Amino acid sequence: DQQVKQNSPSLSVQEGRISILNCDYTNSMFDYFLWYKKYPAEGPTFLISISSIKDKNEDGRFTVFLNKSAKHLSLHIVPSQPGDSAVYFCAASAPGKAAGNKLTFGGGTRVLVKP
Amino acid sequence: KAGVTQTPRYLIKTRGQQVTLSCSPISGHRSVSWYQQTPGQGLQFLFEYFSETQRNKGNFPGRFSGRQFSNSRSEMNVSTLELGDSALYLCASSLAQVGGEQYFGPGTRLTVT
Repeated sequence: DQQVKQNSPSLSVQEGRISILNCDYTNSMFDYFLWYKKYPAEGPTFLISISSIKDKNEDGRFTVFLNKSAKHLSLHIVPSQPGDSAVYFCAASAPGKAAGNKLTFGGGTRVLVKP
Repeated sequence: KAGVTQTPRYLIKTRGQQVTLSCSPISGHRSVSWYQQTPGQGLQFLFEYFSETQRNKGNFPGRFSGRQFSNSRSEMNVSTLELGDSALYLCASSLAQVGGEQYFGPGTRLTVT
């Protein structure tokens, strides 16, 4: 049962344009969401997060939007740069000590930014 | 501040052997989580330790185990290795007890032949 899904396995975008990555979740207990960027043979790098009490969080070129009713979040990268070419993962966690810091990951979206 | 470090970075083992991987979290972080990444299954949670106690465990067989020391360093052990255990094993640390950002190490690439 895939609780976090990234339905687009890949995305190609021109340098300078907007990249929009989407993520859907099914577990209504999730209340904290994160986006990571990953290069091959490296660990994921934390990009940005959002708590379920917010619907938007911005950090530089990265903005994450959360639509709780639709159980959907998206990551916008503006403007896209060639160095943004990587695999992006969304992840979610549930509240409470029992859940701890367990992250449930989506399958990832490979982004290619063309110069 | 130094990031999360993992040793070794690469490992080749034979089926049936056991392996121990090590993770040193960011200084001050008491939560350490382990994940397995494979092409077919993606990133999957193995277990989490907080203050030397296992708080949470993913859906993996008992061959996968771990521990955390008083300095927050963590080890994971896989016994009786199978070919399917070939994967990138990632360790992440967090300052928060729950619901915080997690920072990943570079991973240990385990190949089982």
